[in-house]
Amino acid sequence: DVKVTQSSRYLVKRTGEKVFLECVQDMDHENMFWYRQDPGLGLRLIYFSYDVKMKEKGDIPEGYSVSREKKERFSLILESASTNQTSMYLCASRARGSYEQYFGPGTRLTVT
Amino acid sequence: AQSVTQLGSHVSVSEGALVLLRCNYSSSVPPYLFWYVQYPNQGLQLLLKYTTGATLVKGINGFEAEFKKSETSFHLTKPSAHMSDAAEYFCAVSVQMDSNYQLIWGAGTKLIIKP
Repeated sequence: DVKVTQSSRYLVKRTGEKVFLECVQDMDHENMFWYRQDPGLGLRLIYFSYDVKMKEKGDIPEGYSVSREKKERFSLILESASTNQTSMYLCASRARGSYEQYFGPGTRLTVT
Repeated sequence: AQSVTQLGSHVSVSEGALVLLRCNYSSSVPPYLFWYVQYPNQGLQLLLKYTTGATLVKGINGFEAEFKKSETSFHLTKPSAHMSDAAEYFCAVSVQMDSNYQLIWGAGTKLIIKP
C-alpha cells in the first residue's frame, strides 16, 4: 500500500512566523505535489516536483516555497505566514508514467 | 484551457436512493478522468478512473461512472446510498503539461445522506 504521511494534522501559527509542512512517501515515487484546499475552490496546485532538487510552480505559488532534497520527502515552506494562508494543505505523490495521485491525510493550518 | 465543472456544491439524497454526482470537463484531447472521495478530516482517496477501454468504470464501495465523449461528461452513480457514503467527491481530468501530467480538479460536491 502506498503511504503518504504529513508531519502534522493540525497546526496553529502566528502571522509572520516561518512554517514548515513536511510530506514523506514510501513508494519511491518521482513526482510529488502540494495543494491547498478551500471550500468551494477544490484543490489548487501550489508547487510540484518531478525529481530530487527539481521544482515547478503550480497555479498559486505566491507566498510559498518548497524543498526536495531527498526523493521521499517534499517540504512546503511559508516564509512569513499570513491569515489568508489559513487552509487545508494536501500532499500527494505519483509514480512516473502513472496518472494516479496518492494523497496524505492533510494538514489543517490556522494562522492567527 | 482545460476545466472541470461539478454541478452542485451539495447533493442530498435519502439512504437507499440513487446517488448521481455530475461532472463535465473540457478537453481538446482524449482525457483521463478520475473521481476521488474525501471523508471528513482525511485526505483524498481514489474512487475510480477512466483511461482507455470500457466507458463504464466500476470503482470501490459500489460506485461507477460512465465516460460519455459526446457529452464531455463523467457522472458518478451508486444505485443505493448508504450513510457511510457521506463525504466530499472530486472529479479530475489529467492533462499533459510539458513532459508531466497534472490533474485539473473540480470544485467538489458534498454528498449528504438523509436517514
